[in-house]
Amino acid sequence: EAQVTQNPRYLITVTGKKLTVTCSQNMNHEYMSWYRQDPGLGLRQIYYSMNVEVTDKGDVPEGYKVSRKEKRNFPLILESPSPNQTSLYFCASSAVRGTALNSPLHFGNGTRLTVT
Amino acid sequence: GENVEQHPSTLSVQEGDSAVIKCTYSDSASNYFPWYKQELGKGPQLIIDIRSNVGEKKDQRIAVTLNKTAKHFSLHITETQPEDSAVYFCAASTGTASKLTFGTGTRLQVTL
Repeated sequence: EAQVTQNPRYLITVTGKKLTVTCSQNMNHEYMSWYRQDPGLGLRQIYYSMNVEVTDKGDVPEGYKVSRKEKRNFPLILESPSPNQTSLYFCASSAVRGTALNSPLHFGNGTRLTVT
Repeated sequence: GENVEQHPSTLSVQEGDSAVIKCTYSDSASNYFPWYKQELGKGPQLIIDIRSNVGEKKDQRIAVTLNKTAKHFSLHITETQPEDSAVYFCAASTGTASKLTFGTGTRLQVTL
């Protein structure tokens, strides 16, 4: 089954304690992206990757890091989480033709992060 | 950059009625307009999309219309059913993979 898998689904942590949210896709997609979803703000892009070793900032990259060492994995790293990073996070992937999406975005089921 | 506004933020309709969600965008270069449905506890899922060379597209009970001159597009759901209850997001893109900008979402509730 084609899917994007995020782990964990729920995470409660304290300010300053480094954490990683994993994302893996089995569709051989070139493009992967992280979004955060907050009430009244919709989905905002954090970082994206067009292919292995190619990453770039989205609209709200502050406080986050990513890496793309393998095509299937795109982890989101919070080096020093703060309460304003409490949110619902989604990973997504898509096939790409040139610089354009060539298939719909496939989303994972989300990671709800609480930073106290 | 692109800015997408979505209205209303919440919408309640009775089963069998129609529902309409509207979005406006700012970048006249945008040419791809998908709609995503997010059910509780799940990630968004594409339900329909339209490209700028088409004014309307229909898929069973769902239709999307696009007015490029006015820079707005709408989702129409007819004969609503309880399973249509979800959060709906519109989005706009110039076609570049990195530039898919989402609206703020509409929570649709279909009541019996």
